Amino acid sequence: AQSVTQLGSHVSVSEGALVLLRCNYSSSVPPYLFWYVQYPNQGLQLLLKYTSAATLVKGINGFEAEFKKSETSFHLTKPSAHMSDAAEYFCAVSIGGATNKLIFGTGTLLAVQP
Amino acid sequence: GAVVSQHPSRVICKSGTSVKIECRSLDFQATTMFWYRQFPKKSLMLMATSNEGSKATYEQGVEKDKFLINHASLTLSTLTVTSAHPEDSSFYICSASGGGDEQFFGPGTRLTVL
Repeated sequence: AQSVTQLGSHVSVSEGALVLLRCNYSSSVPPYLFWYVQYPNQGLQLLLKYTSAATLVKGINGFEAEFKKSETSFHLTKPSAHMSDAAEYFCAVSIGGATNKLIFGTGTLLAVQP
Repeated sequence: GAVVSQHPSRVICKSGTSVKIECRSLDFQATTMFWYRQFPKKSLMLMATSNEGSKATYEQGVEKDKFLINHASLTLSTLTVTSAHPEDSSFYICSASGGGDEQFFGPGTRLTVL
């Protein structure tokens, strides 16, 4: 079975500071990993995905994540936070790409302080 | 990019009535569609997976007679909440996959049952 754990339901950073959102996964088979962002009352937008290619994945809006098998982690980072980054972020795991179901973490609400 | 729409975006109904939510893939053929439910300040819970022309596969604990899913074409899936009650109030999100390694999410439908 697959599962995802997101440490920290709320993260607050100052504008311009480093953003680090943590995600650990559990999977009995090589996983596909995803980060999504959700703005209030909207659907999910894909930030980036890991599909067994390069372990350092670059996504949209300056975000990136590194797949570390030894640590079973897929943490999301951004060097410099922008006010527009304030949103809910979800990490998700799938065993067979998007045609198989996604298992979501509980989400991390990112607040960006001016 | 791939666009998924949902209609309506918001619906308010009386207890005991049925509500239909549509999910459409606008610029690609969705071989698989997924329906999620999101409670306030909670993660997404997969309700069911549907493949075009086949019966939906429901997740454990989801009542298939209450949440009717139809995937009649490669661009349309519908979720009907039958005999809705206040506890069915939630944010319902669909996603669609054209067979690649990514799901594309709709903007969600806010259901309020009075």
